[in-house]
Amino acid sequence: NAGVTQTPKFQVLKTGQSMTLQCAQDMNHNSMYWYRQDPGMGLRLIYYSASEGTTDKGEVPNGYNVSRLNKREFSLRLESAAPSQTSVYFCASGGIGMNTEAFFGQGTRLTVV
Amino acid sequence: KNQVEQSPQSLIILEGKNCTLQCNYTVSPFSNLRWYKQDTGRGPVSLTIMTFSENTKSNGRYTATLDADTKQSSLHITASQLSDSASYICVVSAKGRTYKYIFGTGTRLKVLA
Repeated sequence: NAGVTQTPKFQVLKTGQSMTLQCAQDMNHNSMYWYRQDPGMGLRLIYYSASEGTTDKGEVPNGYNVSRLNKREFSLRLESAAPSQTSVYFCASGGIGMNTEAFFGQGTRLTVV
Repeated sequence: KNQVEQSPQSLIILEGKNCTLQCNYTVSPFSNLRWYKQDTGRGPVSLTIMTFSENTKSNGRYTATLDADTKQSSLHITASQLSDSASYICVVSAKGRTYKYIFGTGTRLKVLA
């Protein structure tokens, strides 16, 4: 029962470098999300995908791009990392409907120096 | 502005004691309210989901209450255990705002032996 799997768990980048955070779920969920969690703040939605082939901006999309590669995988790309993107990133997936449960990955701790 | 506020920010209790965490929200129109448990270094895990018509929901030693009139929710933990040490996050979603979840900043609970 893998659930939602994120890679990598930790990453240190230099300012201006690029990287892709990977996320895969094995629960056949349509919806997938990327959040960031910063100290003293609630999780904030970066991008989401309601279904395979669709993506939409969330609350804080600037500096990020996403790809819904297939129903299982949803990746988050930082094209030119900035220190303000230092955060813990969580991928989540959920079924259809407002009252369905969302399942979160273990998180990726990203530091941009 | 849609907001979710939690109190206290942090709490320390002795093993075996009970505690109650609070969540006040201004999200409107209300769809549902969720409580998540987040262990250090892990992703959030769902404890309960409550809709407008539900005012109490239990999950083992966790009991959530909801007063939609006063826009308040509480999470009561009975007979606390060391494993209850975690952050507890209240999340509210608005009706008609698909994928719009407002996260509280969480209450950090520490249970001491």
